[in-house]
Amino acid sequence: GAVVSQHPSRVICKSGTSVKIECRSLDFQATTMFWYRQFPKQSLMLMATSNEGSKATYEQGVEKDKFLINHASLTLSTLTVTSAHPEDSSFYICSARVFGPASEKLFFGSGTQLSVL
Amino acid sequence: AQTVTQSQPEMSVQEAETVTLSCTYDTSESDYYLFWYKQPPSRQMILVIRQEAYKQQNATENRFSVNFQKAAKSFSLKISDSQLGDAAMYFCAYRTGTASKLTFGTGTRLQVTL
Repeated sequence: GAVVSQHPSRVICKSGTSVKIECRSLDFQATTMFWYRQFPKQSLMLMATSNEGSKATYEQGVEKDKFLINHASLTLSTLTVTSAHPEDSSFYICSARVFGPASEKLFFGSGTQLSVL
Repeated sequence: AQTVTQSQPEMSVQEAETVTLSCTYDTSESDYYLFWYKQPPSRQMILVIRQEAYKQQNATENRFSVNFQKAAKSFSLKISDSQLGDAAMYFCAYRTGTASKLTFGTGTRLQVTL
């Protein structure tokens, strides 16, 4: 199946700093990628939909100025957590949409565990 | 708004036995898709099975099958001949036919015992 590479897998940062997470589609072009957040022992919550060449669409309650999403190419989307605070500590997962001959599929990255001290 | 409910926070099954995980959903859409995803300790999301709402036949993937009851808005996952490697969090998910974003349930943690 298609491979989605997400880096870094784990990051620890100080409060007030910014962290960038990358999501790459390795063997296909992804016009649309999705960013999810998962708090401990909870479900995945969609944060935003990232479209190549256009502004991301954010879900209600997600601060777009805090979670900056850039999808400048068909194989790369980035999520930058700006001025991170301890409450931003979470597991962040990206997924990319692939259109196949008969259906649409979503492939997930391996996730990034963000810990803000 | 669409919602997905998994009423079993944890389930346990003995190796080689069968277990069923429950999922219900709420939607007013007629065109939609349902999924079961597995999240092992590595936290990589893995698609287990998918079901198109317009198909009456229940989807099957090897030891995994679903019981899709459209009128009842129920979508349960049956795992047959359970293996130790099946131990994971299982998430039920929904999306409409026109949108790609998924709505996930709260998950069921499956333990597989010897």
